[in-house]
Amino acid sequence: DIQMTQSPSSLSASVGDRVTITCRASQGISNSLAWYQQKPGKAPKLLLYAASRLESGVPSRFSGSGSGTDYTLTISSLQPEDFATYYCQQYYRTPLTFGGGTTVEIK
Amino acid sequence: EVQLVESGGGLVQPGGSLRLSCAASGFTFNNYAVSWVRQAPGKGLEWVSALSGSGGSTYYADSVRGRFTISRDNSKNTLYLQMSSLRAEDTAVYYCAKFSIAGNYYYYMDVWGKGTTVTVSS
Repeated sequence: DIQMTQSPSSLSASVGDRVTITCRASQGISNSLAWYQQKPGKAPKLLLYAASRLESGVPSRFSGSGSGTDYTLTISSLQPEDFATYYCQQYYRTPLTFGGGTTVEIK
Repeated sequence: EVQLVESGGGLVQPGGSLRLSCAASGFTFNNYAVSWVRQAPGKGLEWVSALSGSGGSTYYADSVRGRFTISRDNSKNTLYLQMSSLRAEDTAVYYCAKFSIAGNYYYYMDVWGKGTTVTVSS
């Protein structure tokens, strides 16, 4: 199985901050990576796929980049509604696997 | 509106069984593979099982293989997860999710239900 490691596991940030979350795969996944946002008590929401493609309706302050084994999710200017937990997921090979999550908290 | 609505969760004793359902609407159900993803209390996401649009191809996580059975009734636009020999570690919110790309592709999931809670405890 492909292991997905996210860092940090949590971070504190202020509204307006630029935030970067990292996801590392245990082997190359050829940009077959999605990012999800989950708020407490809610279902995950797809943000990006193919490492950098924005899902319809997702604000442009979210962006993704990376290649090979290393990928990042960036929020260019953190908004109050962005405080949540973020997960990466690889779909290069089954079983699909998720990272452990990164919780973005209010500083 | 594309929608998935889960039902069937509840409290069950260890060793017991439960069947989850997921009613789909707003899209051509049999064109898409669908999946169950679970989340234990305070934990991350775990892909549990998936099924192709035709129902001919299935996937199970090692943790549930042999105990859980995924199925679908395309005439009713409904996905099922039959769970048996339940263990305490199966306690979780179970989400139904649709894969984004039509066909038998297990890629990323663009529509999720709100989840149904399964608690395995005596």
